[in-house]
Amino acid sequence: EAGVTQFPSHSVIEKGQTVTLRCDPISGHDNLYWYRRVMGKEIKFLLHFVKESKQDESGMPNNRFLAERTGGTYSTLKVQPAELEDSGVYFCASSQDLAVFYNEQFFGPGTRLTVL
Amino acid sequence: RKEVEQDPGPFNVPEGATVAFNCTYSNSASQSFFWYRQDCRKEPKLLMSVYSSGNEDGRFTAQLNRASQYISLLIRDSKLSDSATYLCVVSGSARQLTFGSGTQLTVLP
Repeated sequence: EAGVTQFPSHSVIEKGQTVTLRCDPISGHDNLYWYRRVMGKEIKFLLHFVKESKQDESGMPNNRFLAERTGGTYSTLKVQPAELEDSGVYFCASSQDLAVFYNEQFFGPGTRLTVL
Repeated sequence: RKEVEQDPGPFNVPEGATVAFNCTYSNSASQSFFWYRQDCRKEPKLLMSVYSSGNEDGRFTAQLNRASQYISLLIRDSKLSDSATYLCVVSGSARQLTFGSGTQLTVLP
């Protein structure tokens, strides 16, 4: 079974440009999460989709970040315009059933974003 | 104050040693507790869930003390392949994961 995949693996852009990250969750997983790790900090939650609906976007840093999950399959995270402090590793995770108490989240390999 | 606090280490131990990691969390409403392992430049992977009664998986033992809001991980008979960063993670009803900053372990030959 394929795991969570993310594209691209690396992205280097200049301040002010736009970048779109993509995540394909494990097939059948309704729950999709975005997290990011900026340099020297812990991994932090950004938002959570259940199917195509945003369940929780309390971790989104500001309105330069836009996440979508049309059709409830893959998700995109767009940063527009990118700022220097957006540099970091963006992880996507998916999980199956929220009703399960210890519900394992499976992480993708991450997209390493560098804003120059 | 961070929601999940861990000793960042690094811990450098010889093969065969026993090593213990500790973690505290601030949100008493936390419901689920985990240890994740992250290798250099890789994604976090679930090592084990941590239950109130404590649980063991081979050389790994995890303990949870809800009253003290304290989680621990014990690794016995350390192997070279155990070298990684160990992340203490908690989750609430919203199921989002809250991560500690990680404890770096290097097992030396």
